[in-house]
Amino acid sequence: EAGVAQSPRYKIIEKRQSVAFWCNPISGHATLYWYQQILGQGPKLLIQFQNNGVVDDSQLPKDRFSAERLKGVDSTLKIQPAKLEDSAVYLCASSLGGGPGTGELFFGEGSRLTVL
Amino acid sequence: GQQVMQIPQYQHVQEGEDFTTYCNSSTTLSNIQWYKQRPGGHPVFLIQLVKSGEVKKQKRLTFQFGEAKKNSSLHITATQTTDVGTYFCADPQGGKLIFGQGTELSVKP
Repeated sequence: EAGVAQSPRYKIIEKRQSVAFWCNPISGHATLYWYQQILGQGPKLLIQFQNNGVVDDSQLPKDRFSAERLKGVDSTLKIQPAKLEDSAVYLCASSLGGGPGTGELFFGEGSRLTVL
Repeated sequence: GQQVMQIPQYQHVQEGEDFTTYCNSSTTLSNIQWYKQRPGGHPVFLIQLVKSGEVKKQKRLTFQFGEAKKNSSLHITATQTTDVGTYFCADPQGGKLIFGQGTELSVKP
C-alpha cells in the first residue's frame, strides 16, 4: 500500500515569496491533515479536511496560509507571503475514519521549508 | 487550547538502561495516542489507549493509561540504539489530534 506522498521535500525561498506544498493521502482515507512542525517542537495542526470539507482551521494563519482539497483526494497548502517564522517542516497526514480519535494517522515524509 | 504536557523534554541513557516518558493532562482524556519520530523522519503511530488503567505491551515497550484517564506513560526496557528518537503523546480532543512537546531520547552505545 502506498503511503502519504508529499512534494517538494525541500524548499528554500526568501521572505515575502510564495510557496506551495502538495499532498496525496493514502487511497480511501477520508480525513487529511496539515501540520506544521518547528524544530524541537511537536507537530501543530494547521487544518483538517473531511473529504473535501474543512473540519478545523482554527490554527491556520489565514492572512498568509491557504489550503484546499479539491475532489476530496489530494491537497495543496500555500503560503503567501512567507515570513522567516514559517521555516518549518510541513507534514501531511491522513486517516481512514472520521477523525483522529478513531484510529491512527499516517504521516508523509514532510516538506522542509527554509525562509531566508 | 488544552495541551498535554510531556516530561522530560530530553533523556540521555546508556544502552541497556530503561527509559520512561510521561504525558499529563489537566482534563480527562477520551483516549491517547503515542507516536515515535526518528531524527529527520516523520511521526509513526505506535499505539492508542482507550480504557482507564489500560496497559499494553509491544516487545520492550509498555504503555499505560492512568485510572483517571489524565495521564499516560511509555516505558522502554533495556534501551537499544534503534530506540533513538522523539516520542510524542497526542490527545484527540474535539476531533483534533493535539501533540505534546515530545521527549527526545538519545542512547549511548
